[in-house]
Amino acid sequence: EVQLVQSGAGVKKPGESLKISCQTSGYTFTTFWIGWVRQTPGKGLEWMGIVYPGDSHTRYSPSFQGQVTISADESISTGYLQWGSLKASDTAKYYCVSGPILTGYIDYWGQGTLVAVSS
Amino acid sequence: EIVMTQSPATLSVSPGERATLSCRASQSVSSNLAWYQQKPGQAPRLLIYGASARATGIPARFSGSGSGTEFTLTISSLQSEDFAVYYCQQYNSWPLWAFGQGTKVEIK
Repeated sequence: EVQLVQSGAGVKKPGESLKISCQTSGYTFTTFWIGWVRQTPGKGLEWMGIVYPGDSHTRYSPSFQGQVTISADESISTGYLQWGSLKASDTAKYYCVSGPILTGYIDYWGQGTLVAVSS
Repeated sequence: EIVMTQSPATLSVSPGERATLSCRASQSVSSNLAWYQQKPGQAPRLLIYGASARATGIPARFSGSGSGTEFTLTISSLQSEDFAVYYCQQYNSWPLWAFGQGTKVEIK
C-alpha cells in the first residue's frame, strides 16, 4: 500500500523558517515525482512545485518560485517543503502529492499539514 | 497561464440522480485532464486521469469525457458518499498545471 505521511501541524511567527516532510512508502521512490499543493479557502488548490527524486530536478510554479524550496532525500524516501522566512499569507494546508514520472496527475496524496503563521 | 473554469459552483442533486460537472480550459490541454473528489476534512483523491480513464478502485458510475478545452465528469447515479467537492486539473505543460476552483455537489 502506498502511503505519504506528512509531518505535523505547526504554528510559527512571521519571519521564522520551517521545513515540513513527507515520508513515502509502498513504491519505488524514483519512479514518481513528489510535489506540494497548497489549499486555502480563498484560492482553493494551488500547485507549488515538484521534484524528481532520481536527479533532484525541481520545477516551481511561478507564484512560488523563490518563495519555497522543494527537495527530496532518496536514501529515506522523503520529500520536503521549506520556507526561509514565513509570512502570514503562508497560512494554509499543504499537501504532499506524487504521481508517475511522465505524467502530471496526482496518484497519491498525503494527509496534509496545517501551517499557521501568526504574530 | 491556463485558467480552468468549473461550472456550476454548486450542484444540488437528489440521491440516485445523474450529476454532470463541467470544466473548461482557457486553451487546449489535449486529454491531459484529471478529476479529484474531496470530502470534508480529507485529502482529495484521484477519480479520472487522461480525461476519461478511471483510477484504480473508482466505481463505474464515475465517467469522464472531453478533450481540448471542454471536459465533463458524470456521476450516473449519485450515492450518499458522492456528495463532495470535485476539482479538475490540467497537466498539459509545466509550470502551467492548474486546478479549477471546484464544484460542490450537495444533497437536494
